[in-house]
Amino acid sequence: QKEVEQNSGPLSVPEGAIASLNCTYSDRGSQSFFWYRQYSGKSPELIMFIYSNGDKEDGRFTAQLNKASQYVSLLIRDSQPSDSATYLCAVNLISSGSARQLTFGSGTQLTVLP
Amino acid sequence: EAQVTQNPRYLITVTGKKLTVTCSQNMNHEYMSWYRQDPGLGLRQIYYSMNVEVTDKGDVPEGYKVSRKEKRNFPLILESPSPNQTSLYFCASSRLGGADTQYFGPGTRLTVL
Repeated sequence: QKEVEQNSGPLSVPEGAIASLNCTYSDRGSQSFFWYRQYSGKSPELIMFIYSNGDKEDGRFTAQLNKASQYVSLLIRDSQPSDSATYLCAVNLISSGSARQLTFGSGTQLTVLP
Repeated sequence: EAQVTQNPRYLITVTGKKLTVTCSQNMNHEYMSWYRQDPGLGLRQIYYSMNVEVTDKGDVPEGYKVSRKEKRNFPLILESPSPNQTSLYFCASSRLGGADTQYFGPGTRLTVL
C-alpha cells in the first residue's frame, strides 16, 4: 500500500464546474498536508496547506482534512482552463521516521474543458 | 527575487560518467532536498539536509551522493550514473523541513544512455 495515494485520473470537468481531488494517507499521526500544482514541464508550486481538521478556503480553492478517515481533498470551484494541471498531494508522514520528510502522492491530472 | 536555481537544466550522458547537478537557494533556508520524478511514481525524495554538514537519506538514495558545505548550495552527485537514473530531478528548499512549504527549482532532465 502506498503511503500517500491519489487517483491518477485523468479527471476532466467542464469550465465553471467544481473539480474534486482526493488523497488518502497511511499514517494517522501525520500533521501537515499540502496541495501542489504542477503544469506540464514545470516545477510544483504550492496551492494550499492545511494542518487542522475541517475546511480551509483560499479564493476558489478549498482544502478539506479528515484525520480520522485519513483523507485530504482539494475542491476547485468555478474551474478554469488555466487550472488544467497535475495536482500533487503531499503529507509530512510521522512514520517516515523524521518530521523533516515530505511524501508525495503520484498526482492527479486535471483537465478543464472550455 | 527569491528562487531556487538548478544547473544544468538538461543533461544527456553515458553510463558511468560522473556528474554533478548543482542547486542553490537565496532565501537563507535551513532545509534543502532533492527529489526525482518519474511517470506514475510521483516525486520521491532522494536526500535532504537540515543544515550545513547535516544530510540524511530519503526514500531512494541508492546511487546518489550529496554534500552541504554551504547553506545556500546542495549539489547532487551521481558517481556512476546508470540508465535507471534517467529522470526529472527537482531541488527544493524550505525554512523548517517537511512540515513547511517547499520551494522548488526549475528541474533538471537527465538522460543516461
